[in-house]
Amino acid sequence: LAKTTQPISMDSYEGQEVNITCSHNNIATNDYITWYQQFPSQGPRFIIQGYKTKVTNEVASLFIPADRKSSTLSLPRVSLSDTAVYYCLVVRGDSSYKLIFGSGTRLLVRP
Amino acid sequence: DTEVTQTPKHLVMGMTNKKSLKCEQHMGHRAMYWYKQKAKKPPELMFVYSYEKLSINESVPSRFSPECPNSSLLNLHLHALQPEDSALYLCASSPWTRAQETQYFGPGTRLLVL
Repeated sequence: LAKTTQPISMDSYEGQEVNITCSHNNIATNDYITWYQQFPSQGPRFIIQGYKTKVTNEVASLFIPADRKSSTLSLPRVSLSDTAVYYCLVVRGDSSYKLIFGSGTRLLVRP
Repeated sequence: DTEVTQTPKHLVMGMTNKKSLKCEQHMGHRAMYWYKQKAKKPPELMFVYSYEKLSINESVPSRFSPECPNSSLLNLHLHALQPEDSALYLCASSPWTRAQETQYFGPGTRLLVL
């Protein structure tokens, strides 16, 4: 499975848009890009998943360029409650079940 | 019911104790997982159950013994643990057994081994 690289930490202010970029140079054709969010002392929570181009849901957007070697999670107008760790994962689209979490990005949203 | 529950929330045990962690989901999911998470580290997969059968064991020491009594319940039996096994143990489930399925995580059991 492709290893992911993402910034260790990011700071932002309430109301700003936050973009977290993840690098996955060795992504395979049947791999999906998935993002999870984790608050302290809680289990991770699924945010969004994509294969190519752009995916949007009620909480985030995921931008994936044509070469799929990177992806960007976009959080519009963050609030203090968005302070969390964000994990970028590459998951194999078969029955291997494997989720390998990257090191994660610690996002701190300031008032 | 759209959540995964785990009990207990906290557990302290000695190295000679035997204890069990319990995980339950009532979403009809076919796959269930155990993860281990050390402080400030990402979760690491330990075991995967698919249709109540053990599908993946990520070379976990035998002092951790998983069990899936039925499709809604997953246990992790602990015996003769070491202090370095202290961590947050997370259970998750997913509708089907493909890796790209969304996994639903419980809140975890925080384990301290003395």
